[in-house]
Amino acid sequence: AQSVTQPDIHITVSEGASLELRCNYSYGATPYLFWYVQSPGQGLQLLLKYFSGDTLFQGIKGFEAEFKRSQSSFNLRKPSVHWSDAAEYFCAVGQEMNNNAGNMLTFGGGTRLMVKP
Amino acid sequence: ETGVTQSPTHLIKTRGQQVTLRCSSQSGHNTVSWYQQALGQGPQFIFQYYREEENGRGNFPPRFSGLQFPNYSSELNVNALELDDSALYLCASSRRGLAGAFEQYFGPGTRLTVT
Repeated sequence: AQSVTQPDIHITVSEGASLELRCNYSYGATPYLFWYVQSPGQGLQLLLKYFSGDTLFQGIKGFEAEFKRSQSSFNLRKPSVHWSDAAEYFCAVGQEMNNNAGNMLTFGGGTRLMVKP
Repeated sequence: ETGVTQSPTHLIKTRGQQVTLRCSSQSGHNTVSWYQQALGQGPQFIFQYYREEENGRGNFPPRFSGLQFPNYSSELNVNALELDDSALYLCASSRRGLAGAFEQYFGPGTRLTVT
């Protein structure tokens, strides 16, 4: 069964500093990987996704993620954090259903990002 | 393009009662998934519906059931509510993207409190 680990429960960075949120996954086949962001009391917004091919991906809001198959990691990065980036971030691995009509997401526990002025 | 919508926003129920939560899919999406997010945790997959049939289920008891309608909207029903059912319930609709894999888009959720 697939699993996702986000080792950091809380991270605090200063506005303008760089950010890296860690994600490690366990999955038997080529993974479909996602990063979502959740603001307080809100649903999840898709930041970026990995399906195949390149190892560095650009998402929305200036975020990027690097896929490293040898380390089973899919870390999220941002060169310069803005105060509005304060939120909870979730990494997820997707597994397609047997009938290929959809997929099931398995989420990590999340990392709460706080931004100091 | 209208996103995923859910109703109600908040709900308070008493242990032992039954509850129905509703979700409208994003236009063009024919697969709907439901997730439970307990406080301080990541979402957990409850089940998924495709063409009005259950398409997969997570580790949830049978008192969690669902429906999908011809317009792809969906309901989540929970019977015999327990205190541990208190959570944010998220609905997500999905389609196969250009790269060939599914992308799930989430609604704002329904906050259920069981007392």
